[in-house]
Amino acid sequence: EDKVVQSPLSLVVHEGDTVTLNCSYEVTNFRSLLWYKQEKKAPTFLFMLTSSGIEKKSGRLSSILDKKELFSILNITATQTGDSAIYLCAPSTSYGKLTFGQGTILTVHP
Amino acid sequence: AAGVIQSPRHLIKEKRETATLKCYPIPRHDTVYWYQQGPGQDPQFLISFYEKMQSDKGSIPDRFSAQQFSDYHSELNMSSLELGDSALYFCASSLMVDYEQYFGPGTRLTVT
Repeated sequence: EDKVVQSPLSLVVHEGDTVTLNCSYEVTNFRSLLWYKQEKKAPTFLFMLTSSGIEKKSGRLSSILDKKELFSILNITATQTGDSAIYLCAPSTSYGKLTFGQGTILTVHP
Repeated sequence: AAGVIQSPRHLIKEKRETATLKCYPIPRHDTVYWYQQGPGQDPQFLISFYEKMQSDKGSIPDRFSAQQFSDYHSELNMSSLELGDSALYFCASSLMVDYEQYFGPGTRLTVT
């Protein structure tokens, strides 16, 4: 059975802090790993990672994948209150099916 | 930019009734996925379509069926509704299989 574990489950920080969110996975027919941000509505796409060791960056967010260790991290630097959300990681398997982790609830205080 | 459109956004049904949820993918996207998200849970994959053919099936009850039409929109039909079917139903679309998926706003189904 496919398994995705995210840690920590919740995180409370202050504006300006840097956070690292973790995602480990065990799935069959792995194709890629996706990160989403969810704020009481639909998940918003952040990154799709297919190759190991290649960092993807978008502003203050960055992510990297380790296909050997079956692991990915999402980094957010200089956090802002608008970063408060649930961050979901989801490996994609054959035909694109996403298996979501339970998510990390990030709360950023002013 | 155009996004995934879902209708209706909210739906209230009684037990044993039938519901139909609609999804209109981003233009030129030929792959559609359906996910169910219960309260406080992560989204669970239900079913997907590529080029109007079912491509994969997850934990979808036999009471549910879905299809993708010639214009690539998709409909999820749910019959004999149960209280446990109350959830947020997301549709996502991608340009092709193995491309990033973009989610619609969801349909919140409440079964009373």
